[in-house]
Amino acid sequence: DQQVKQNSPSLSVQEGRISILNCDYTNSMFDYFLWYKKYPAEGPTFLISISSIKDKNEDGRFTVFLNKSAKHLSLHIVPSQPGDSAVYFCAAHLDYKLSFGAGTTVTVRA
Amino acid sequence: NAGVTQTPKFQVLKTGQSMTLQCAQDMNHEYMSWYRQDPGMGLRLIHYSVGAGITDQGEVPNGYNVSRSTTEDFPLRLLSAAPSQTSVYFCASLEGYRTEAFFGQGTRLTVV
Repeated sequence: DQQVKQNSPSLSVQEGRISILNCDYTNSMFDYFLWYKKYPAEGPTFLISISSIKDKNEDGRFTVFLNKSAKHLSLHIVPSQPGDSAVYFCAAHLDYKLSFGAGTTVTVRA
Repeated sequence: NAGVTQTPKFQVLKTGQSMTLQCAQDMNHEYMSWYRQDPGMGLRLIHYSVGAGITDQGEVPNGYNVSRSTTEDFPLRLLSAAPSQTSVYFCASLEGYRTEAFFGQGTRLTVV
């Protein structure tokens, strides 16, 4: 059973607007969360992370929010740019192992 | 700095054949792992290693073997390929706990 879930397989957003990607997890032992971005025919690349002791982490246009009580995290991209069109994976750390969600495909429209 | 290198990039196997997917990293990371990516399922952990000589099973280990004789290399062996092993395989390395994983470019494997 998947412990990390991304329930939205796709998201379409206009250039310049905000993209919000959501992720839910079931294992309360997860203590570190990451977002990865993946282009076709390439490996995933690290985007941003957050420790379980924080509720927000920001890096440029990317902000990750963590709500531990709801076991929910989200990634905000502001403003969205055409180069942001990719698949985004949410991942959670436990004992050197990463559990991934199924991914959300983001398409940024001009 | 090459990071994580996987070979080959593409491979077609017949059912029952065996092969080894190679993975090498030049970052001196202790932790390495193998994932497979299938449509609608994200990346699933096959095997992982926390150092040379130490390996353990992940979520979907059946049909795969690994060994870790050096820090740099972590090969994945398919003993008798099956069509269900058609997938894209990614190798990753981590510097330590609660750090980002660095991924290779992937190997697209088709078993016919």
